[in-house]
This record gives sequence, structure tokens and C-alpha cells, in this order.
Amino acid sequence: GAVVSQHPSRVICKSGTSVKIECRSLDFQATTMFWYRQFPKQSLMLMATSNEGSKATYEQGVEKDKFLINHASLTLSTLTVTSAHPEDSSFYICSAGGWGSGNTIYFGEGSWLTVV
Amino acid sequence: SQQGEEDPQALSIQEGENATMNCSYKTSINNLQWYRQNSGRGLVHLILIRSNEREKHSGRLRVTLDTSKKSSSLLITASRAADTASYFCATGYTSNTGKLIFGQGTTLQVKP
Repeated sequence: GAVVSQHPSRVICKSGTSVKIECRSLDFQATTMFWYRQFPKQSLMLMATSNEGSKATYEQGVEKDKFLINHASLTLSTLTVTSAHPEDSSFYICSAGGWGSGNTIYFGEGSWLTVV
Repeated sequence: SQQGEEDPQALSIQEGENATMNCSYKTSINNLQWYRQNSGRGLVHLILIRSNEREKHSGRLRVTLDTSKKSSSLLITASRAADTASYFCATGYTSNTGKLIFGQGTTLQVKP
């Protein structure tokens, strides 16, 4: 079946640096991908909609200059956390659905970000 | 906030018993989905039910949707220890089934 892959699964970065997380659809084309964040023992919160070939659409309260999203191809979206701070430490999960996946949305395995 | 609520927040049952989780939401939806998440892992899609549907089945799972009450339920029959996980309902407000608002989730523990 369709698979969405995220990389890295875990990353530790120093405060003030930037870190990039990749989300790939492995066997289908994803015109739209979604980025969520999840704090421990909490639910998922939609951060933004990543649109292939155009700008991402951010949810209210999400800083677009801090969370840069690029969806340059039909199989890859990247989330870059810029000038990371300890409060950005979280579980970031992407999802994708599009041609070839039917209506089913597939989630990546998530990326644990720890900012020290 | 459009975020829905789930109850119970935590549920502990014996293997073989049925588990029922409920989800309520606040505004009209296009679709409602249920997901499962094992600790620290990604989500697994279980069932999608559209606003014009009332019930769906998939294996041991049964989902109902009552749009007049803005609520849904997930029933897992004959539970197994491997069903231990967190379960989330997620509501979609557009035909884009990927744009979801998640409920707070129910943590299910199935004791062997």
C-alpha cells in the first residue's frame, strides 16, 4: 500500500539553529501534504497545508517565517524549523494523500525534535 | 476552537471485551475519520465516514455517525492486547480529506 516516509525520525539541535524535516510519498504522487505537531500526551494540531508548486497555507497562530514549508515536487515536502528554541521541541508528523492513494490519508512515522 | 472532544480519555478493558469510544464535534463536517496511534509513532488510518453516511464497518471496527448530535462512536469488538493504543477521531470540514482537526484522543489499554 501507499507509504509516507519521514526523515529524520529523531533529531537534536542546538537552540538558535535550523533543522529540516522531510516528508516523502513513496509510491504515489501527493499534490497536498499536511504538517502537524504533537506535544507529549496531547493531540495533533494542524500547522499547515503544503501545496505542490505553490505557497503553503498556514493555520492561525503558526508562524510562517519560523516554520518554512517547501513542496517542490509531487513526492516531497520539507518543514524547516528556523531559529529553533526549546519550546519547539515536539513530535512533527506529516500526512499525504493524492493521486493513487484514493481518499485514504497516510501519515508518516513522525519526527521527534529536541532543541537543547 | 473547532476541536472535538473524545470520551473516555482513558479506557482499560480485558481481552475479548468490546471497547467503545465516543467523539463529539462542534460544527458541520464533510467527513470524520478515526486513527490509531501507538506510543511515539505515526498514525494509522482506520475508517473514514462521510457526513451522509451513518455507519461503517471494517473487520472488528464499527463506526457510527450522528450528524444531528454531532457525534461519532468507534466500537472495537473482541479486543486484543495488540489493540492497546491511543485512538483519535478527526473531523474534516472540506472535501480535502487530509485537512483534519483532531480530538483529544482516547487511550485504550487491553489487558491480556
